[in-house]
Amino acid sequence: GQQVMQIPQYQHVQEGEDFTTYCNSSTTLSNIQWYKQRPGGHPVFLIQLVKSGEVKKQKRLTFQFGEAKKNSSLHITATQTTDVGTYFCAGPVLNGGSNYKLTFGKGTLLTVNP
Amino acid sequence: ETGVTQTPRHLVMGMTNKKSLKCEQHLGHNAMYWYKQSAKKPLELMFVYNFKEQTENNSVPSRFSPECPNSSHLFLHLHTLQPEDSALYLCASSQGYRESSYNEQFFGPGTRLTVL
Repeated sequence: GQQVMQIPQYQHVQEGEDFTTYCNSSTTLSNIQWYKQRPGGHPVFLIQLVKSGEVKKQKRLTFQFGEAKKNSSLHITATQTTDVGTYFCAGPVLNGGSNYKLTFGKGTLLTVNP
Repeated sequence: ETGVTQTPRHLVMGMTNKKSLKCEQHLGHNAMYWYKQSAKKPLELMFVYNFKEQTENNSVPSRFSPECPNSSHLFLHLHTLQPEDSALYLCASSQGYRESSYNEQFFGPGTRLTVL
């Protein structure tokens, strides 16, 4: 079925390095959401993007929504140990017929070496 | 801390047991959700309730039975589960729900379920 693909699956960086995770859908999404899940924790909402080509920033985090609304990225500048966790994207994907289902990517696990 | 609570936090059950998971949200939201999070699989949306009415059942086996008595409470009744049902079960709520788009999800801490 239709999916939301996310790469890379894992990323290990030195503290201070940048990090990017990418999200792709085979179909156009009305919006895309990003979540962060710390180890042993639960997903926490970061942001929602709605408009084609939209770019939003939250301190060191930059979120982009592609022009075709099929891909998105999350970029972290100068990572810190507090950035450790799994980052998920999610979007409403057609689930057969005309029904939609909020579908998550598999996530990117970020680890940061201090 | 989130305004969504879940009990129990951990549950071990046999395949013939019947148990229930409970979720309560204190955020005044009208939509509630059950998710399953397994190792090496994406977070999977199971059920959606909007104003107490079930609006989505995403091909979930009948051994999982949800119940939503009001907009603040959500239950997941478990019966004759299989070992592959072992997972983290997350409850979430949101302010409003539209089928073609979803509002920000507020997740609870989850119930770690082990089926023996």
